[in-house]
Amino acid sequence: AQSVTQLGSHVSVSEGALVLLRCNYSSSVPPYLFWYVQYPNQGLQLLLKYTSAATLVKGINGFEAEFKKSETSFHLTKPSAHMSDAAEYFCAVSDYQGAQKLVFGQGTRLTINP
Amino acid sequence: DTGVSQDPRHKITKRGQNVTFRCDPISEHNRLYWYRQTLGQGPEFLTYFQNEAQLEKSRLLSDRFSAERPKGSFSTLEIQRTEQGDSAMYLCASSRQGNQPQHFGDGTRLSIL
Repeated sequence: AQSVTQLGSHVSVSEGALVLLRCNYSSSVPPYLFWYVQYPNQGLQLLLKYTSAATLVKGINGFEAEFKKSETSFHLTKPSAHMSDAAEYFCAVSDYQGAQKLVFGQGTRLTINP
Repeated sequence: DTGVSQDPRHKITKRGQNVTFRCDPISEHNRLYWYRQTLGQGPEFLTYFQNEAQLEKSRLLSDRFSAERPKGSFSTLEIQRTEQGDSAMYLCASSRQGNQPQHFGDGTRLSIL
């Protein structure tokens, strides 16, 4: 069975500082990996996806993530945090076949300090 | 595209009542998913349709829950005899076939009194 672990339920950084949100996955087959962002009382918006092409994936709003098979990790980074980045972030894994349902981590709440 | 639409956005009901939610996916998407999200948790998969066929159901989906997608377009999720534990955000997502990303609606928040 697939699973995702997000290290740190709450991360706080200063505006302009580096953002690093950690995600480790477990999958018995080559995974597809995703990062989604959720603002209060809204659905999830796709930030980026890894589908076995380039290991460094660039997404929207200046975010990027690197797939490291040896570490089973897919950490999300952004060089310079902006106040508008404050939200809940979810890492998810899916199979590349069948239902391709998403298995989510528990989320990391990102707070940006002025 | 106009995005995934869910209705209603909020539903408050008394324990024991039946509720039904609707999801309108992006028009050209043949896959439709339902997820449930409780406070402080990530979404959990409930069920999945490809066109009108319901192909997979989670064990989370008790016999009080039923989902339909009669013409392969919109979908409904019904909960019968609601319980306190059903209080959650119910999210719908749609995608094209072939490892395409899922697009989520804004969800229906269910509160059971």
